[in-house]
Amino acid sequence: DAKTTQPNSMESNEEEPVHLPCNHSTISGTDYIHWYRQLPSQGPEYVIHGLTSNVNNRMASLAIAEDRKSSTLILHRATLRDAAVYYCILRNQFYFGTGTSLTVIP
Amino acid sequence: GAGVSQSPRYKVAKRGQDVALRCDPISGHVSLFWYQQALGQGPEFLTYFQNEAQLDKSGLPSDRFFAERPEGSVSTLKIQRTQQEDSAVYLCASSLARVFTYEQYFGPGTRLTVT
Repeated sequence: DAKTTQPNSMESNEEEPVHLPCNHSTISGTDYIHWYRQLPSQGPEYVIHGLTSNVNNRMASLAIAEDRKSSTLILHRATLRDAAVYYCILRNQFYFGTGTSLTVIP
Repeated sequence: GAGVSQSPRYKVAKRGQDVALRCDPISGHVSLFWYQQALGQGPEFLTYFQNEAQLDKSGLPSDRFFAERPEGSVSTLKIQRTQQEDSAVYLCASSLARVFTYEQYFGPGTRLTVT
């Protein structure tokens, strides 16, 4: 099964951009890349998804490598409310892994 | 509109008791998912329904775990003869239609503690 790997933790200063990487080297052609985030004591929240092209929405941007073996979630200006665990998943695999815990420093 | 709701939010069970966890998905959502999340870990897939059909139950850890969605809306996850290792947060999510393209909307979870 295709799986994803992410760094365990990252830090960012408030109001600076954050680039959260994800490797998915065994991705198949039909796998959509989804990103979710989970704040403490809450269920995961959808952030963004894409298949091949880069995507933007009000929350973030998703940059997908040309070979689709990696992707990067971009938060353009981190706020304290963005402190959460971020999960990169391949949509039809249901595998969340342990995600990246993002700390935002005031 | 209303999101995914789960009840109870907290459940304490003595080892050996049976428990039933309820999930009310977003109205009209076809797909429903159950996940188990241990402390400090990411959600782990348990099972998936499309309408009333259980299409994937490969993540259920043992035959003590059973899920149903008889009318294609509300779902119940039942755990028989609970064990301490069943202590976790149980998350339910629903999705509008096909698995691969639509995002999942998660409920707040039910925290189960087995003593």
